[in-house]
Amino acid sequence: SQQGEEDPQALSIQEGENATMNCSYKTSINNLQWYRQNSGRGLVHLILIRSNEREKHSGRLRVTLDTSKKSSSLLITASRAADTASYFCATDASLSNTGKLIFGQGTTLQVKP
Amino acid sequence: EAQVTQNPRYLITVTGKKLTVTCSQNMNHEYMSWYRQDPGLGLRQIYYSMNVEVTDKGDVPEGYKVSRKEKRNFPLILESPSPNQTSLYFCASSDRLNTEAFFGQGTRLTVV
Repeated sequence: SQQGEEDPQALSIQEGENATMNCSYKTSINNLQWYRQNSGRGLVHLILIRSNEREKHSGRLRVTLDTSKKSSSLLITASRAADTASYFCATDASLSNTGKLIFGQGTTLQVKP
Repeated sequence: EAQVTQNPRYLITVTGKKLTVTCSQNMNHEYMSWYRQDPGLGLRQIYYSMNVEVTDKGDVPEGYKVSRKEKRNFPLILESPSPNQTSLYFCASSDRLNTEAFFGQGTRLTVV
Protein backbone atom coordinates (compact mmCIF):
# COMPACT_ATOMS: atom_id res chain seq x y z
CA SER A 1 0.00 0.00 0.00
CA GLN A 2 1.22 3.47 -0.78
CA GLN A 3 1.85 5.38 2.40
CA GLY A 4 3.49 8.60 1.34
CA GLU A 5 1.86 11.33 -0.62
CA GLU A 6 3.86 14.20 -1.91
CA ASP A 7 2.92 17.71 -2.74
CA PRO A 8 3.30 19.32 -5.15
CA GLN A 9 3.55 16.73 -7.91
CA ALA A 10 5.58 19.15 -9.98
CA LEU A 11 7.51 22.31 -9.20
CA SER A 12 9.29 24.71 -11.52
CA ILE A 13 11.54 27.45 -10.15
CA GLN A 14 14.39 29.70 -11.21
CA GLU A 15 17.96 29.01 -10.24
CA GLY A 16 18.75 30.57 -6.90
CA GLU A 17 15.23 30.22 -5.53
CA ASN A 18 14.28 27.85 -2.75
CA ALA A 19 12.23 24.72 -3.39
CA THR A 20 9.94 23.18 -0.80
CA MET A 21 8.37 19.75 -1.11
CA ASN A 22 5.99 18.13 1.32
CA CYS A 23 5.28 14.54 2.22
CA SER A 24 2.46 13.05 4.26
CA TYR A 25 2.23 9.53 5.54
CA LYS A 26 -0.32 7.41 7.35
CA THR A 27 1.19 5.07 9.92
CA SER A 28 3.72 5.35 12.71
CA ILE A 29 7.30 5.36 11.55
CA ASN A 30 10.83 4.84 12.83
CA ASN A 31 12.29 7.22 10.30
CA LEU A 32 11.59 9.11 7.12
CA GLN A 33 14.03 9.40 4.26
CA TRP A 34 14.31 11.57 1.18
CA TYR A 35 15.73 10.34 -2.09
CA ARG A 36 16.53 12.00 -5.39
CA GLN A 37 16.13 10.38 -8.78
CA ASN A 38 17.54 11.79 -11.97
CA SER A 39 15.52 10.84 -15.00
CA GLY A 40 15.34 7.07 -15.39
CA ARG A 41 18.25 6.46 -13.04
CA GLY A 42 18.64 4.96 -9.59
CA LEU A 43 17.55 6.66 -6.42
CA VAL A 44 20.16 8.43 -4.36
CA HIS A 45 19.73 8.82 -0.63
CA LEU A 46 19.71 12.44 0.53
CA ILE A 47 18.85 12.51 4.19
CA LEU A 48 17.26 10.44 6.96
CA ILE A 49 15.36 11.89 9.88
CA ARG A 50 14.35 9.76 12.83
CA SER A 51 10.94 9.91 14.46
CA ASN A 52 12.37 11.63 17.55
CA GLU A 53 13.97 14.39 15.50
CA ARG A 54 12.19 17.51 14.31
CA GLU A 55 14.70 19.05 11.94
CA LYS A 56 17.85 18.05 10.15
CA HIS A 57 20.26 19.82 7.84
CA SER A 58 22.66 18.58 5.21
CA GLY A 59 24.35 21.21 3.08
CA ARG A 60 21.60 23.07 1.19
CA LEU A 61 18.96 20.60 2.38
CA ARG A 62 16.71 21.10 5.35
CA VAL A 63 14.22 18.46 6.40
CA THR A 64 11.53 18.83 9.01
CA LEU A 65 9.35 16.15 10.53
CA ASP A 66 6.08 16.61 12.36
CA THR A 67 4.97 13.23 13.68
CA SER A 68 1.76 14.67 15.13
CA LYS A 69 0.69 15.70 11.64
CA LYS A 70 2.45 12.76 9.97
CA SER A 71 4.18 15.06 7.57
CA SER A 72 7.64 16.10 6.46
CA SER A 73 9.07 18.79 4.26
CA LEU A 74 12.24 19.03 2.23
CA LEU A 75 13.66 22.48 1.56
CA ILE A 76 16.40 22.96 -1.01
CA THR A 77 17.94 26.39 -0.68
CA ALA A 78 19.66 28.37 -3.42
CA SER A 79 18.63 25.84 -6.04
CA ARG A 80 20.83 24.99 -9.01
CA ALA A 81 20.02 23.58 -12.43
CA ALA A 82 21.70 20.36 -11.29
CA ASP A 83 18.97 19.95 -8.65
CA THR A 84 16.50 19.19 -11.43
CA ALA A 85 15.22 15.70 -10.55
CA SER A 86 12.38 13.84 -8.90
CA TYR A 87 12.34 13.75 -5.12
CA PHE A 88 10.76 10.98 -3.09
CA CYS A 89 10.03 10.57 0.56
CA ALA A 90 10.17 7.06 1.94
CA THR A 91 9.01 5.70 5.26
CA ASP A 92 9.49 2.47 7.04
CA ALA A 93 6.70 1.12 9.21
CA SER A 94 7.50 1.15 12.90
CA LEU A 95 5.93 -2.26 13.48
CA SER A 96 7.70 -3.80 10.52
CA ASN A 97 11.08 -5.51 10.73
CA THR A 98 11.49 -6.12 7.04
CA GLY A 99 13.54 -3.11 6.01
CA LYS A 100 10.78 -2.27 3.58
CA LEU A 101 10.50 1.32 2.44
CA ILE A 102 7.20 2.80 1.34
CA PHE A 103 7.63 5.54 -1.21
CA GLY A 104 5.56 8.55 -2.05
CA GLN A 105 4.67 9.40 -5.64
CA GLY A 106 7.42 11.97 -5.84
CA THR A 107 7.78 15.63 -6.69
CA THR A 108 9.32 16.51 -10.03
CA LEU A 109 11.49 19.59 -9.63
CA GLN A 110 12.67 21.66 -12.56
CA VAL A 111 15.22 24.37 -11.88
CA LYS A 112 15.58 26.76 -14.78
CA PRO A 113 18.97 28.36 -15.35
CA GLU B 1 33.38 1.98 -4.29
CA ALA B 2 30.20 1.00 -2.46
CA GLN B 3 27.58 0.08 -4.99
CA VAL B 4 24.64 -2.01 -6.04
CA THR B 5 25.02 -3.40 -9.55
CA GLN B 6 22.14 -4.55 -11.69
CA ASN B 7 22.30 -6.27 -15.03
CA PRO B 8 21.14 -5.85 -17.63
CA ARG B 9 20.30 -2.15 -17.73
CA TYR B 10 17.92 -2.57 -20.63
CA LEU B 11 16.09 -5.65 -21.82
CA ILE B 12 13.43 -6.29 -24.43
CA THR B 13 11.96 -9.77 -24.38
CA VAL B 14 8.95 -11.70 -25.57
CA THR B 15 6.05 -12.98 -23.53
CA GLY B 16 6.80 -16.25 -21.81
CA LYS B 17 10.56 -16.28 -22.21
CA LYS B 18 12.16 -16.76 -18.80
CA LEU B 19 14.60 -14.09 -17.72
CA THR B 20 16.75 -13.19 -14.75
CA VAL B 21 17.83 -9.74 -13.63
CA THR B 22 20.91 -9.91 -11.47
CA CYS B 23 21.68 -7.72 -8.48
CA SER B 24 24.91 -7.66 -6.55
CA GLN B 25 26.07 -5.45 -3.67
CA ASN B 26 29.59 -5.08 -2.33
CA MET B 27 28.74 -3.62 1.09
CA ASN B 28 28.00 -6.84 2.99
CA HIS B 29 24.44 -5.65 3.54
CA GLU B 30 21.90 -7.98 5.10
CA TYR B 31 18.75 -6.46 3.64
CA MET B 32 18.00 -6.49 -0.06
CA SER B 33 14.84 -5.63 -1.96
CA TRP B 34 13.42 -5.44 -5.43
CA TYR B 35 11.10 -2.61 -6.47
CA ARG B 36 9.31 -1.78 -9.65
CA GLN B 37 8.56 1.77 -10.68
CA ASP B 38 5.59 2.60 -12.85
CA PRO B 39 4.17 6.00 -13.86
CA GLY B 40 1.49 7.10 -11.45
CA LEU B 41 2.15 4.18 -9.11
CA GLY B 42 5.53 5.12 -7.69
CA LEU B 43 7.88 2.46 -6.39
CA ARG B 44 6.39 -0.76 -5.12
CA GLN B 45 8.25 -3.54 -3.37
CA ILE B 46 8.23 -6.91 -5.12
CA TYR B 47 10.29 -9.11 -2.79
CA TYR B 48 12.73 -8.59 0.01
CA SER B 49 15.38 -10.59 1.82
CA MET B 50 16.54 -10.15 5.38
CA ASN B 51 19.54 -12.46 5.03
CA VAL B 52 20.84 -15.48 3.18
CA GLU B 53 18.07 -17.99 2.48
CA VAL B 54 15.48 -15.63 4.00
CA THR B 55 13.11 -14.06 1.48
CA ASP B 56 9.54 -12.87 1.58
CA LYS B 57 6.90 -11.25 -0.58
CA GLY B 58 6.46 -7.54 -0.86
CA ASP B 59 3.40 -5.74 -2.20
CA VAL B 60 3.43 -7.01 -5.78
CA PRO B 61 5.11 -10.45 -5.88
CA GLU B 62 2.90 -12.13 -8.49
CA GLY B 63 4.87 -13.36 -11.48
CA TYR B 64 8.26 -12.99 -9.80
CA LYS B 65 10.68 -15.20 -7.91
CA VAL B 66 13.86 -14.43 -6.02
CA SER B 67 16.65 -16.31 -4.35
CA ARG B 68 19.34 -15.38 -1.82
CA LYS B 69 21.98 -18.07 -1.84
CA GLU B 70 24.78 -15.63 -1.11
CA LYS B 71 24.73 -12.44 0.87
CA ARG B 72 25.85 -10.26 -2.01
CA ASN B 73 23.47 -11.51 -4.72
CA PHE B 74 19.71 -11.22 -5.01
CA PRO B 75 18.50 -12.13 -8.51
CA LEU B 76 14.96 -11.42 -9.70
CA ILE B 77 13.47 -14.14 -11.85
CA LEU B 78 10.54 -13.82 -14.21
CA GLU B 79 9.57 -17.37 -15.12
CA SER B 80 7.01 -16.38 -17.75
CA PRO B 81 7.10 -12.64 -18.37
CA SER B 82 3.97 -10.86 -19.47
CA PRO B 83 3.47 -7.36 -20.92
CA ASN B 84 2.17 -6.06 -17.58
CA GLN B 85 5.64 -6.65 -16.18
CA THR B 86 7.03 -3.99 -18.47
CA SER B 87 8.53 -1.60 -15.94
CA LEU B 88 11.64 -0.03 -14.46
CA TYR B 89 13.12 -2.32 -11.81
CA PHE B 90 15.40 -1.38 -8.94
CA CYS B 91 17.38 -3.46 -6.54
CA ALA B 92 18.26 -1.94 -3.18
CA SER B 93 20.29 -2.94 -0.15
CA SER B 94 20.83 -1.69 3.39
CA ASP B 95 22.94 -2.92 6.25
CA ARG B 96 20.25 -3.07 8.88
CA LEU B 97 16.84 -1.83 9.71
CA ASN B 98 16.04 1.85 9.65
CA THR B 99 19.05 2.96 7.67
CA GLU B 100 19.54 4.38 4.23
CA ALA B 101 19.06 2.15 1.23
CA PHE B 102 21.47 1.99 -1.68
CA PHE B 103 19.87 1.55 -5.08
CA GLY B 104 21.11 0.06 -8.29
CA GLN B 105 20.91 2.01 -11.53
CA GLY B 106 17.78 0.25 -12.63
CA THR B 107 16.75 -2.24 -15.29
CA ARG B 108 14.28 -1.10 -17.89
CA LEU B 109 12.35 -4.16 -18.99
CA THR B 110 9.99 -4.30 -21.94
CA VAL B 111 7.92 -7.43 -22.54
CA VAL B 112 6.28 -7.61 -25.94
